[in-house]
Parts: sequence; C-alpha cells; structure tokens
Amino acid sequence: EAQVTQNPRYLITVTGKKLTVTCSQNMNHEYMSWYRQDPGLGLRQIYYSMNVEVTDKGDVPEGYKVSRKEKRNFPLILESPSPNQTSLYFCASSLTGASEAFFGQGTRLTVV
Amino acid sequence: TQLLEQSPQFLSIQEGENLTVYCNSSSVFSSLQWYRQEPGEGPVLLVTVVTGGEVKKLKRLTFQFGDARKDSSLHITAAQPGDTGLYLCAGERSGGSNYKLTFGKGTLLTVNP
Repeated sequence: EAQVTQNPRYLITVTGKKLTVTCSQNMNHEYMSWYRQDPGLGLRQIYYSMNVEVTDKGDVPEGYKVSRKEKRNFPLILESPSPNQTSLYFCASSLTGASEAFFGQGTRLTVV
Repeated sequence: TQLLEQSPQFLSIQEGENLTVYCNSSSVFSSLQWYRQEPGEGPVLLVTVVTGGEVKKLKRLTFQFGDARKDSSLHITAAQPGDTGLYLCAGERSGGSNYKLTFGKGTLLTVNP
C-alpha cells in the first residue's frame, strides 16, 4: 500500500529540548516536503527536497532543519523548540513539486 | 496576500442540501487540485483540473476550472455527513518551476444529520 508514515503522531515536549519527527514514503517519490497547519493560517511549507541531498527552504523555515540522506526518508528536526512551534505537522511526498501530494497522518506537537 | 482565496471559510448545512465552495486567485494556474482533509488525517486528493473550463465529476461532487484558469469551484449535491471535512484547493502557478504547490486556507464543511 502506497503510504507516507510519520512518527510520532503526538508529542509534548519542553522548550529547548531537541526533537526529530520522522517521515518515510514507499512510493519512490523524488519530492518530499514538510508543512505546518495552524488555525486561520492553513498549510504552510517549511522545507522541501527535490531529491537526495537536495533541500531548500519553504515559506516558514526558521527554527527547523531537514535532511535527505535517502530517497525514502525526510526527517524534520527542531534543534531548540519554542512554544510558537506548537502546531500540526504534515510530511508529504509526490513525483514532482506540483503533482499529487500524498500526506502522512500528521504529528501534533505541543511545546510547553 | 493569500495567493489562493477560498470561500466561505466555514459552512454548516443540513444533510441533503446542495453547496458550492470557491477557490479564487488573481494569478493563472497551470492546474488546480482539490483535497479533502478529515479530522485527524492528512489531506487526500479528490481531483486535479488542468484545462480552462474543464468540469470533472466525482459521484455527487462537481469540480470546475475557470476559463481563465484563475479560479475553481466545488459543488456538492445532496450533501451527506460523510462529506464533512476541510476542503483545500492547491495549485502551481503558470510559469512556475514545477517545484511547489500553493494551498488555500480551506473551507471547513460540516454536514449535520
């Protein structure tokens, strides 16, 4: 079954404690991206990757890092989380940046 | 400025009613996608429209792409509680480098039994 898997689904952490949200896809897609979804602001792209070892900033990259060492994995790293990063995060993959996006189930992050 | 404006932002209707939601822009899009996001899940693609004036039907859902490829609409006939969810439009601007989708903020639809 084609899918994008994110972990964890829910995470509560404290300010400043580094965390990683994992994302894996089994569709051999070259393009992967991370979004955050906030009430009234919609889906905003954080980072994207067009291929292995190729990543670039989206619309709201501050406070986040990503890596793309393998085609299937695209982890999102928060080196020093802050409360304003409390949000619902989605990983997505697609053939190209403009083609159908397949989303993971989301990670609800709370930073206290 | 939001590139894709969706309206209404919220819509609450009774089962059996018809409804239309809109996705508008001042920019031309190569294509537009419609997604539905159910509570606790990620968005799932419903349809992609590519040609100006194109109409696509998916059971009780009818999607239309404007002639100028700047706007799109989603019409639902005889809405059912299972249609409840957040409806998102997304597109790639014409002339873009095929690397990014832009999403609207969505229309949150509630269909009451």
